[in-house]
Amino acid sequence: SQTIHQWPATLVQPVGSPLSLECTVEGTSNPNLYWYRQAAGRGLQLLFYSIGIGQISSEVPQNLSASRPQDRQFILSSKKLLLSDSGFYLCAWSSNVGNQPQHFGDGTRLSIL
Amino acid sequence: KQEVTQIPAALSVPEGENLVLNCSFTDSAIYNLQWFRQDPGKGLTSLLLIQSSQREQTSGRLNASLDKSSGRSTLYIAASQPGDSATYLCAVGTDSWGKLQFGAGTQVVVTP
Repeated sequence: SQTIHQWPATLVQPVGSPLSLECTVEGTSNPNLYWYRQAAGRGLQLLFYSIGIGQISSEVPQNLSASRPQDRQFILSSKKLLLSDSGFYLCAWSSNVGNQPQHFGDGTRLSIL
Repeated sequence: KQEVTQIPAALSVPEGENLVLNCSFTDSAIYNLQWFRQDPGKGLTSLLLIQSSQREQTSGRLNASLDKSSGRSTLYIAASQPGDSATYLCAVGTDSWGKLQFGAGTQVVVTP
């Protein structure tokens, strides 16, 4: 069966520090991968999605970037964190065959001080 | 731009009562619609996915309907239990790449 792992579960970072969140999927090949942010009092917002290695699409302009160095690895990064980057970050995957459900990881709670 | 609305934002029902959760969307040109459950501080759990060509989908005590022409989906949970307490999110699939547009969710409390 397929599983998705995200780490770390929680992270507290000072303003201006770098960020790296990692997500890996097991049990499937060439999945579509997604990064979402869930801010307090707001719905889930799609940040990035990827249909293959090195193929990243950004949905909103922001202080973040994403990379997919391996088929089942998706990384969310920032060079300098802002206070507004605080939130709950969720990684998800779906089969690359159309019309399949998305499956989410347990998320990373990011607090910026 | 697709907008997804879930009303009410919160709902409290006694155990055993049926739950009815509503989701509306502005653009009927959707690929699919997915319902999720989110427990506090956790990720999302996929409950049901309805393809755009389908009218409903069922899994155990859960039944979801889809009316594209009116821009609505309804999630029914039969005979609610305290373990059903969670936030339920509706998401519309907007393209073939699987991108989802989420509603803000309905927070459900089932009291014993």
